[in-house]
Amino acid sequence: AQKVTQAQTEISVVEKEDVTLDCVYETRDTTYYLFWYKQPPSGELVFLIRRNSFDEQNEISGRYSWNFQKSTSSFNFTITASQVVDSAVYFCALSEAYGQNFVFGPGTRLSVLP
Amino acid sequence: NAGVMQNPRHLVRRRGQEARLRCSPMKGHSHVYWYRQLPEEGLKFMVYLQKENIIDESGMPKERFSAEFPKEGPSILRIQQVVRGDSAAYFCASSPVPEETQYFGPGTRLLVL
Repeated sequence: AQKVTQAQTEISVVEKEDVTLDCVYETRDTTYYLFWYKQPPSGELVFLIRRNSFDEQNEISGRYSWNFQKSTSSFNFTITASQVVDSAVYFCALSEAYGQNFVFGPGTRLSVLP
Repeated sequence: NAGVMQNPRHLVRRRGQEARLRCSPMKGHSHVYWYRQLPEEGLKFMVYLQKENIIDESGMPKERFSAEFPKEGPSILRIQQVVRGDSAAYFCASSPVPEETQYFGPGTRLLVL
């Protein structure tokens, strides 16, 4: 069975600090997809990134970066120089090869304090 | 290109009433997924539909819940005889093909009094 663990329930940082959100997954599939979504206080879900299991290259997008390590089944998300607007709940998710459904982690609530 | 649309955004029902939640996928997307988010929890998959077909309903409660995605019109998630435990945010997502990214709507917040 597929499972996503986000061990950090809540994180608080001060603005401009770097912060890493952990995501560990379990799957028996050799082909799968990993995702990060952001849920700001307004409640909508914002897509951040999709990574397939054959692409272990790290990705950087502005202040966001992702570290995919197949050897440890982790897909961690780092925000550099955090800002108050980054305050949200962040969900890591996993889908099987044909994406029939997502398994979401429980989420990490990030609070960035001014 | 409009995103995934859900309505209503907020819905209040009394116990025993019916709730109907609507989802219009993004243009060009024929795959629709419904998820439920209980307060302070992550999202849980409910059902996956293509036009006129239910592909996977393994996450749907066996009773009172049903979903459809007709040839014309939005996908509907229907909850009959609602109970307080049905209070949650219900999110719809769509994708052009199953293995592509799912884009989420703004959600419908259902409150059962």
